[in-house]
Parts: sequence; structure tokens; C-alpha cells
Amino acid sequence: GAGVSQSPSNKVTEKGKDVELRCDPISGHTALYWYRQSLGQGLEFLIYFQGNSAPDKSGLPSDRFSAERTGGSVSTLTIQRTQQEDSAVYLCASSQRIAQSTDTQYFGPGTRLTVL
Amino acid sequence: QKEVEQDPGPLSVPEGAIVSLNCTYSNSAFQYFMWYRQYSRKGPELLMYTYSSGNKEDGRFTAQVDKSSKYISLFIRDSQPSDSATYLCAIAGGTSYGKLTFGQGTILTVHP
Repeated sequence: GAGVSQSPSNKVTEKGKDVELRCDPISGHTALYWYRQSLGQGLEFLIYFQGNSAPDKSGLPSDRFSAERTGGSVSTLTIQRTQQEDSAVYLCASSQRIAQSTDTQYFGPGTRLTVL
Repeated sequence: QKEVEQDPGPLSVPEGAIVSLNCTYSNSAFQYFMWYRQYSRKGPELLMYTYSSGNKEDGRFTAQVDKSSKYISLFIRDSQPSDSATYLCAIAGGTSYGKLTFGQGTILTVHP
């Protein structure tokens, strides 16, 4: 079917507001990943979900960041009390399984977040 | 020190040139090495994947891994304007099982 989709494609918010970013993975993919891409920083891992296992949150930069995955499919990344340094492109990826590191991760187009 | 270092460029070459893109990494536990291509305003897409040391060729693209030097390379032969994109190396394995650690990305422009 379709690839990974993300919404919104662009989000402009004011400092201090909360934002929610959505990711729809490829149907049947059990693993879902969030990354952040900032100018000069490259792609940074944030969090991943695999099936019903506890998510690996080791990349989340602060407790203002959280994510959930409902029903093993759609995921939402929430940033509370946004700061200007949160401005970046947030990318979601999914893969069929996580049993091997060789699994191809398919990326969505990203959500471009701008915090004024 | 970052786990993966990649020269961000930008790199500008004429059409038909051979392009060499490189990354170095610090953790010898990494076993899986990938190159992603990212066009402007798009998500990255997997271009090449290599396990452990060695070479892998796919059309005009060749990926090389030298684990003894912790050095990975991507070569593009007969470069085309459509190859203009950002190229990101990514590594996985060891304790970072399942998540990718990316280099900063190299911006490549191939001009006609």
C-alpha cells in the first residue's frame, strides 16, 4: 500500500505551546521509529516502538518529549512547552521487524516544525 | 566525539564525474552500514546496505566498508544531475540494535 505518511507537513507554533505530530506507518510494519533532523545536527534517533514491547526512549532529549503508539499502528509524538531549539524536521520511519538490524527503515516525508 | 563523522560538504561536481563520499565511526561493535539518499523536502531512502567489511556494487553505486579503519565509503560512477541530493551514512548494531546512528549528511550537486 502507501508509504509512511506524516501530518501535518508543516507546523508553526509559538514558544510554550504544545504540539502533536502524527505518523501512519506502512501497514503490517511492527517497528516504528522517530528521528529529528536539525540543521547542522543530522538525523538524531528519538524513540522506537516494536510490537507490544516497551519503547526505547533513550533518544528523547527531555521530558517535554513523549510518544505513544496506539493499537500497534499510528504513533503520535508530543512536544510540550515548545522551545525554539525544538525547531527541526521530525521524521518517522517503519520497518517490518526489529529482529535484525538489517531491516530496511522506510521514512515518511517528515513534519517541519518551526517554533517562533 | 560523535559516533559517526561525515563531511557535510557541500560537494559540487560536473556530470559524469566519480563521486566519493566518506564516513568514519568510533564504535567497533557496529556491524551494519548503510547509505541513504535524501532529496530536498523528502524523507531519506535506503540506497545501499553492507554487512561487516567488504564491497557491494549496485549499478553506478559501490559501497565499501573497512572495519579495521572504521571507515565507510560510497562511490558514484558517471554521476548524473538526478544524483543531486544529500547522502547520509548510517550504522547499526552492537548496543544500538534496531536504531540507526546517522552521519551529518553530505550535500551533493551534479551540474550538467
